[in-house]
Amino acid sequence: AQSVTQLGSHVSVSEGALVLLRCNYSSSVPPYLFWYVQYPNQGLQLLLKYTSAATLVKGINGFEAEFKKSETSFHLTKPSAHMSDAAEYFCAGGGATNKLIFGTGTLLAVQP
Amino acid sequence: DVKVTQSSRYLVKRTGEKVFLECVQDMDHENMFWYRQDPGLGLRLIYFSYDVKMKEKGDIPEGYSVSREKKERFSLILESASTNQTSMYLCASSVTSWERGTEAFFGQGTRLTVV
Repeated sequence: AQSVTQLGSHVSVSEGALVLLRCNYSSSVPPYLFWYVQYPNQGLQLLLKYTSAATLVKGINGFEAEFKKSETSFHLTKPSAHMSDAAEYFCAGGGATNKLIFGTGTLLAVQP
Repeated sequence: DVKVTQSSRYLVKRTGEKVFLECVQDMDHENMFWYRQDPGLGLRLIYFSYDVKMKEKGDIPEGYSVSREKKERFSLILESASTNQTSMYLCASSVTSWERGTEAFFGQGTRLTVV
């Protein structure tokens, strides 16, 4: 069965600091992995996606993620946090069944 | 731009009412999804449809049903609303296969309160 695990339900960083949000997946088939962001009272917006073309994926707003098969991880990073990055972030995985399974989310707070 | 539209942003319903949540997408996507979002639990899949009149249960289908009579429309039905169904409901759509390099597109969500 496929599952996605996000470590840390709340992460707080200072403005300008590195952002690291963790995601691990469990799958018996090659995964397709996504990071979505949700701002308050809004739907989900795609940040980036991994679909096997390249292990380092760049997304919008300066975010990137690296697929590491040996660690079954797809962590999201941004070198320098901005106040506008404060939001909830979801890691998700899609497999052969076409279903999209989500992690429980990480709420990112950015301190001035 | 892909657009997924949910019919209501906010709904207040009474316990026992039959509730319909409507979702329409304009990109001819085969797949449509209904998720429920609760704090600390992330998004949980209620139902999934991969074609007209085809549906598959997700992780938490109890108390819900769905209808997909047309490709662009996917309805979530609460047969008899209960207070534990108070939540944010998110609809999404996607093409058939992740291998095509696409992703799921989401509506703005419907915040349902059952009183």
